[in-house]
Amino acid sequence: EADIYQTPRYLVIGTGKKITLECSQTMGHDKMYWYQQDPGMELHLIHYSYGVNSTEKGDLSSESTVSRIRTEHFPLTLESARPSHTSQYLCASRGGSAVSEAFFGQGTRLTVV
Amino acid sequence: AQSVTQPDIHITVSEGASLELRCNYSYGATPYLFWYVQSPGQGLQLLLKYFSGDTLVQGIKGFEAEFKRSQSSFNLRKPSVHWSDAAEYFCAVGGGSQGNLIFGKGTKLSVKP
Repeated sequence: EADIYQTPRYLVIGTGKKITLECSQTMGHDKMYWYQQDPGMELHLIHYSYGVNSTEKGDLSSESTVSRIRTEHFPLTLESARPSHTSQYLCASRGGSAVSEAFFGQGTRLTVV
Repeated sequence: AQSVTQPDIHITVSEGASLELRCNYSYGATPYLFWYVQSPGQGLQLLLKYFSGDTLVQGIKGFEAEFKRSQSSFNLRKPSVHWSDAAEYFCAVGGGSQGNLIFGKGTKLSVKP
């Protein structure tokens, strides 16, 4: 069973609010990822990290930012939420080997009204 | 560049019928291949993976996949589908230039009673 957790599971928030989506893993994985996924659609990589103090933007441009101060924690922040940010956000982590699979959290479904 | 193609967006099968979901990849070296399943509103769960050895890989929930290098394919199969198998299925290839997993767009499976 995967030990990667996302909070909150569901969030409804007003336009202009600042929000932080939390992601934590207890597996000691160096690699962590954030994906954005609209319902029933493909995954878009928006941020990734290969370790503490390492963050990179993914394939899909995003107005969100991330930080990696601790190995186990990879929060995603939206400074000013907009309706276009409404989506599901999935966090994942992966071991160092190329054959390692990614473990996913259950996701945060964000609705901006 | 590495890529994954899942040609079928949506497949409907009858309960008890056999299933095959297609996945084609483009990768220069030996690929590391994965199949994930996603139930509605949930994260992704690993079904199986291939990185070397026997080209027929067994996974959880009665799924199997066969790696065919000559066809650049890694199709997922199940001999008898259950209603609980209705979900979204994602194929992924690992080992990209930055070591990230590259996901296909997914295939939605519906199961008729």
